[in-house]
Amino acid sequence: GAGVSQSPSNKVTEKGKDVELRCDPISGHTALYWYRQSLGQGLEFLIYFQGNSAPDKSGLPSDRFSAERTGGSVSTLTIQRTQQEDSAVYLCASSLTERGGLDTQYFGPGTRLTVL
Amino acid sequence: AQKITQTQPGMFVQEKEAVTLDCTYDTSDPSYGLFWYKQPSSGEMIFLIYQGSYDQQNATEGRYSLNFQKARKSANLVISASQLGDSAMYFCAMREKGRKLIWGLGTSLAVNP
Repeated sequence: GAGVSQSPSNKVTEKGKDVELRCDPISGHTALYWYRQSLGQGLEFLIYFQGNSAPDKSGLPSDRFSAERTGGSVSTLTIQRTQQEDSAVYLCASSLTERGGLDTQYFGPGTRLTVL
Repeated sequence: AQKITQTQPGMFVQEKEAVTLDCTYDTSDPSYGLFWYKQPSSGEMIFLIYQGSYDQQNATEGRYSLNFQKARKSANLVISASQLGDSAMYFCAMREKGRKLIWGLGTSLAVNP
């Protein structure tokens, strides 16, 4: 079946502009995660959606970052007034979250964001 | 303080040999899960293996096995019979309560022919 897809694969923008990154999770997966990976670093958690529950936004680095998930499926991560330090690869993952299950997160290919 | 520590920024191994990638973790939660992911140069993050804190046996998945030493809080990945395609970044991650993963900084593995 289809995996997690993300678009665009690459985005170059100018400092101060807003950007939207899209994630399409695996069909049937109830949980969706956004992570950020800066050059040569591990992944940094940003936000997590689980079904209809309020999202866990504890990882969002500033109020310039926001995300929504429409209809329990597709998610959009929005970065307003982009800064150069926002340059990174933004990875989306989804999982099935069965109770007591393994709950493995499956990742998309990422969006490479470059802020000039 | 780092919750996941991967002390080897880079490792080399000869093709067909086994290699161990180190991972230590820090948690006070009795229930947790440990994951290893592979990230090739293409950038995708590929799930390899999982170990639950209550699992009695070490996890194995094909050529991958996890050397879980709970008292030492270590969860080392062992790759047997290395192949050229194993060259990649390898990340150790932990899930405590909640669903988000906490990640180490990764180990770059190069398999030499």
